[in-house]
Amino acid sequence: KAGVTQTPRYLIKTRGQQVTLSCSPISGHRSVSWYQQTPGQGLQFLFEYFSETQRNKGNFPGRFSGRQFSNSRSEMNVSTLELGDSALYLCASSLSLAGDITDTQYFGPGTRLTVL
Amino acid sequence: DQQVKQNSPSLSVQEGRISILNCDYTNSMFDYFLWYKKYPAEGPTFLISISSIKDKNEDGRFTVFLNKSAKHLSLHIVPSQPGDSAVYFCAASQGGSEKLVFGKGTKLTVNP
Repeated sequence: KAGVTQTPRYLIKTRGQQVTLSCSPISGHRSVSWYQQTPGQGLQFLFEYFSETQRNKGNFPGRFSGRQFSNSRSEMNVSTLELGDSALYLCASSLSLAGDITDTQYFGPGTRLTVL
Repeated sequence: DQQVKQNSPSLSVQEGRISILNCDYTNSMFDYFLWYKKYPAEGPTFLISISSIKDKNEDGRFTVFLNKSAKHLSLHIVPSQPGDSAVYFCAASQGGSEKLVFGKGTKLTVNP
């Protein structure tokens, strides 16, 4: 079974631009979560999508948004990029069966975003 | 407020010996805990997990121990191998939420 895939793997943008990152979950997984990893803050939860609806949200400004399509693929968008948005953006997918607290998330390789 | 803490940024052990990585948490509502391993330029790889109804879970060379009263968990790797050298992250969730709260990681180096 193929793992979580993310595109692109690397991206360079300038301040003020916007960017869209893509994530394809493991086949059959219905939940997609996004995380930001930086050296100072570590891995931080951005948001989670399930059945095309945002189900959980972390403490990030509104410039960070996402969506999920009917095939469970997800995109994440960051508008008006700032230097501090430079990070590794990770996507994770899980089955998310109702009532299962032991649901495990599997991560993709990440997209390395550099903002100049 | 850091709810999951890994107080040792790094750990170095000899090949064949035991590696013990520690993690503390403050939120008593966490009921599921996971360990991930991460190599540079790759995403975290799931290693092992434990739910709050257990105090131990074992998978091959990896064992996770959970002490709920102390809000502490640890990952034991026996025997350690050079290929285990990576950054290890502890993560926690509550109530089946997909939101994982991560520690800042411990860099393990296993010397041949």
